[in-house]
Amino acid sequence: ETGVTQTPRHLVMGMTNKKSLKCEQHLGHNAMYWYKQSAKKPLELMFVYSLEERVENNSVPSRFSPECPNSSHLFLHLHTLQPEDSALYLCASSQGQGVYGYTFGSGTRLTVV
Amino acid sequence: QQQVKQSPQSLIVQKGGISIINCAYENTAFDYFPWYQQFPGKGPALLIAIRPDVSEKKEGRFTISFNKSAKQFSLHIMDSQPGDSATYFCAANPDLLNSGGSNYKLTFGKGTLLTVNP
Repeated sequence: ETGVTQTPRHLVMGMTNKKSLKCEQHLGHNAMYWYKQSAKKPLELMFVYSLEERVENNSVPSRFSPECPNSSHLFLHLHTLQPEDSALYLCASSQGQGVYGYTFGSGTRLTVV
Repeated sequence: QQQVKQSPQSLIVQKGGISIINCAYENTAFDYFPWYQQFPGKGPALLIAIRPDVSEKKEGRFTISFNKSAKQFSLHIMDSQPGDSATYFCAANPDLLNSGGSNYKLTFGKGTLLTVNP
């Protein structure tokens, strides 16, 4: 596989559930990102990992917990979410700070019921 | 506070026409301005980007025009085709090449939904 792969593509979870989103990049990039995309709002940066170290945490509620075990994999652990957390969650990667652009995955469409 | 303002929110153009999407910014530290294209069910993909040392950049039918004094930049799609129908996002990032520290804050506009009618 090439590019940035996200699983699952769709996820429906109850407010008391615990689930995880997975992202894998096959581009040899050294930075990975989680973005939240909601209707009619700008893409919201959630977390950034550079060389497996978290370098940005954009005031995201603690019910979202990222994990970056290596430079190719990124997880977003979810627990006790709220309905307003329903959105498309996008993973991206870049080489360095992204001067040649970010490569996005296709996203996980999350619905919290 | 929205740092990059994008307009219009939606745009309908006839095939062969010119599509124009505008963005404005406040932060004078921004010096890298990419545009991303997103099709339904896909993540955004880098389309074209510009730095403020040039006023225009063209790649095929896509052109970015940049006005540093007005702090505005725009995307022009010439000879628009139905296959161009997608959501377009402008973005900005401060001082990518010269930042002495960590700088991963690519800021996006709200997006423009472009529909090109056949």
